[in-house]
Amino acid sequence: AQTVTQSQPEMSVQEAETVTLSCTYDTSESDYYLFWYKQPPSRQMILVIRQEAYKQQNATENRFSVNFQKAAKSFSLKISDSQLGDAAMYFCAHNAGNMLTFGGGTRLMVKP
Amino acid sequence: GAGVSQSPSNKVTEKGKDVELRCDPISGHTALYWYRQSLGQGLEFLIYFQGNSAPDKSGLPSDRFSAERTGGSVSTLTIQRTQQEDSAVYLCASSLTRGGAGEQFFGPGTRLTVL
Repeated sequence: AQTVTQSQPEMSVQEAETVTLSCTYDTSESDYYLFWYKQPPSRQMILVIRQEAYKQQNATENRFSVNFQKAAKSFSLKISDSQLGDAAMYFCAHNAGNMLTFGGGTRLMVKP
Repeated sequence: GAGVSQSPSNKVTEKGKDVELRCDPISGHTALYWYRQSLGQGLEFLIYFQGNSAPDKSGLPSDRFSAERTGGSVSTLTIQRTQQEDSAVYLCASSLTRGGAGEQFFGPGTRLTVL
């Protein structure tokens, strides 16, 4: 069975600064995918970034990047130049087959 | 194009009543998923449909929960004899492909409150 753990229930960052959200996972699969989703108060889950486990290169999407450490089963999200619109719940998720397994989420607050 | 839609947006019901939640996936998406998000927690997988294959029901918490997908498109999640612990946001997602690589697109969810 897959498990995903987010150890930071809440994080705070100053606008324009950088913040890193942590995620660890456990899986017996060799081929899988990892995701970070953003959930604003509207409840709409929005995909932020995706990483294929077979790729060594860390994924990057504009201000968002990941630090994928496969051996350590760690998948952290770095948000650079934080903006007020980044405030939301962030969920780390793992997919090795049919469904996503989610962590408990990290609430990110952005201070102006 | 239109995204995943869900109805109703909010549902308040009394304990013991049955409820039906609807999901309209993105046109052409063969895979459809239901998840449950309890207050302040992550999402919990409930059920997965892929084309005409038998659904993966491994996440359904009890036999009071059932789901169907008609014509490979619209899906309905039914909860019978609702209990207070069923109160949660129920999220539907669809994807174009099966398996881990396919991005899942989520609907806005239905917030269910059982009094």
